[in-house]
Amino acid sequence: ETGVTQTPRHLVMGMTNKKSLKCEQHLGHNAMYWYKQSAKKPLELMFVYNFKEQTENNSVPSRFSPECPNSSHLFLHLHTLQPEDSALYLCASSQSPSGRAYEQYFGPGTRLTVT
Amino acid sequence: ILNVEQSPQSLHVQEGDSTNFTCSFPSSNFYALHWYRWETAKSPEALFVMTLNGDEKKKGRISATLNTKEGYSYLYIKGSQPEDSATYLCAFMGNRDDKIIFGKGTRLHILP
Repeated sequence: ETGVTQTPRHLVMGMTNKKSLKCEQHLGHNAMYWYKQSAKKPLELMFVYNFKEQTENNSVPSRFSPECPNSSHLFLHLHTLQPEDSALYLCASSQSPSGRAYEQYFGPGTRLTVT
Repeated sequence: ILNVEQSPQSLHVQEGDSTNFTCSFPSSNFYALHWYRWETAKSPEALFVMTLNGDEKKKGRISATLNTKEGYSYLYIKGSQPEDSATYLCAFMGNRDDKIIFGKGTRLHILP
């Protein structure tokens, strides 16, 4: 157990559905991240939050909408996704401020399939 | 376009042998280099965070070195054991406005 939990672990959704991924960390960290892992590609950073404020959005399509209500919780709201969005979505957390010099703790991921 | 390359992509090593692999990254705007181990069906687990040129870090049988001027890091595993089988990822952390960039990883298989 890394102290970072993600739900659901598996999700199948149609292109017209709306769903949300949830991440929770119990480590007292102030930085949280969403990553996407597609087949045969490296982990891709999607969003970064420091102290609940979004500090990075790496050109992610608007059909992915993050939300960070507090430093312990991070959501990824999904709507009108495409089949190519099928991937493993990983959440991570680290100490702040920038997080770059601190190791990241990853959750187990949500395996998303878009049909 | 910033790129992080890891080599080899895949590696088979006999149990008990030592091995090493490479992470190449941009030598400009460097802030930190991370190494993670990712076992199948588990979460990526941090091994090292390295920030200074010439850094050497060690955790048990695993160690890493860092050369920020030429843009590479080596990960060494001494006396490989079956539990070392995993994918080893490195991640380049640039200065504030740069992205966090992961390599594709080196998949290590330890043969009994």
